[in-house]
Amino acid sequence: LAKTTQPISMDSYEGQEVNITCSHNNIATNDYITWYQQFPSQGPRFIIQGYKTKVTNEVASLFIPADRKSSTLSLPRVSLSDTAVYYCLVGEYGDDKIIFGKGTRLHILP
Amino acid sequence: DAGVIQSPRHEVTEMGQEVTLRCKPISGHDYLFWYRQTMMRGLELLIYFNNNVPIDDSGMPEDRFSAKMPNASFSTLKIQPSEPRDSAVYFCASSPAISFQEGYTFGSGTRLTVV
Repeated sequence: LAKTTQPISMDSYEGQEVNITCSHNNIATNDYITWYQQFPSQGPRFIIQGYKTKVTNEVASLFIPADRKSSTLSLPRVSLSDTAVYYCLVGEYGDDKIIFGKGTRLHILP
Repeated sequence: DAGVIQSPRHEVTEMGQEVTLRCKPISGHDYLFWYRQTMMRGLELLIYFNNNVPIDDSGMPEDRFSAKMPNASFSTLKIQPSEPRDSAVYFCASSPAISFQEGYTFGSGTRLTVV
């Protein structure tokens, strides 16, 4: 599994767009990039996954440059309820297990 | 679907006692995972099953920990005897056959406190 590096913590304000970047320099050809979100006192929740370019769903957007050595999770117009830990994961389609890193602790301020 | 169901939500026990944590995965999911989360170590994978068979238990910290999956709808994680350093939140997760692509669904966790 490719190693990922992401900021330990970030602060932002309500209504702003938040971008969390994850580095994965050793990403392999068959690897996908996945982000999970964990609210306090809850288990992690799968939010988005991509292989290249851009993916968007109702929760977030994921931007992946051509070299795929990094990715950016974008949360539009955050609210206080977006305060959570966000995990960036890289793995191959068909990988049996997921190993979580420390994640990025996002704190949204009023 | 009710999602992954864990019980109990909270458990407080005395050192030396046996503790059993329970998990009901989502119907149809072939994989079941047990994780432990602490502030110091983050989320650690303890063990996972595929079609009720343990595949990788390399994350189980000691022989005091054991996990079983007697059928597709139930799994247990047992700690005997428990120690204060076992205090953590224990999560169960399940996923369809192609796990990484589909993503995991986690339960709400069991907060274990060993005093």
